[in-house]
Amino acid sequence: NAGVTQTPKFQVLKTGQSMTLQCAQDMNHNSMYWYRQDPGMGLRLIYYSASEGTTDKGEVPNGYNVSRLNKREFSLRLESAAPSQTSVYFCASSASGGAHEQFFGPGTRLTVL
Amino acid sequence: QKEVEQDPGPLSVPEGAIVSLNCTYSNSAFQYFMWYRQYSRKGPELLMYTYSSGNKEDGRFTAQVDKSSKYISLFIRDSQPSDSATYLCAMTGNYGQNFVFGPGTRLSVLP
Repeated sequence: NAGVTQTPKFQVLKTGQSMTLQCAQDMNHNSMYWYRQDPGMGLRLIYYSASEGTTDKGEVPNGYNVSRLNKREFSLRLESAAPSQTSVYFCASSASGGAHEQFFGPGTRLTVL
Repeated sequence: QKEVEQDPGPLSVPEGAIVSLNCTYSNSAFQYFMWYRQYSRKGPELLMYTYSSGNKEDGRFTAQVDKSSKYISLFIRDSQPSDSATYLCAMTGNYGQNFVFGPGTRLSVLP
């Protein structure tokens, strides 16, 4: 039981490049989330998916797209990376109605030059 | 005013001390109040959550919620060096709407 896994762990991009961050969970959770964490800002919600087939914007969605590929997987795409997207990205999951019990992955450290 | 405020620290205490970590918030719709612990370069892990006002205890950890004052606290008794981490408060409404994290307080427990 791996919980929530994220790939890659680290990534360096140049401005304008694109990439997809992958997230998978093996807890049979319906809801999945993408956050970014910046110093002094806490965790901010980018997008979330309450169930397979649905996605909704969070607090800071601009510059990102998401895909809920199936119940297990939720990917985050940066189409044209900008230095302001340098951050640590966390994926999380929770059972239905359990947003107060989120389980987090280990994070992806992204640097955009 | 930010929706959730938390003293960023850092907070340094000697081993065995009682630690008090606090958050204030402005949205009266929040009903679930969570505390997460985050070790350096790791993802947050849920310590405990409380629904509405009241206290909840789990081992050395006690969470308190005072909705009338919009104030929540986490107390750590007999603190250990292994408690050194960043502690994040988080809040959400009844149906998981408007989930918000505080910025976190960095705690160091010195042996």
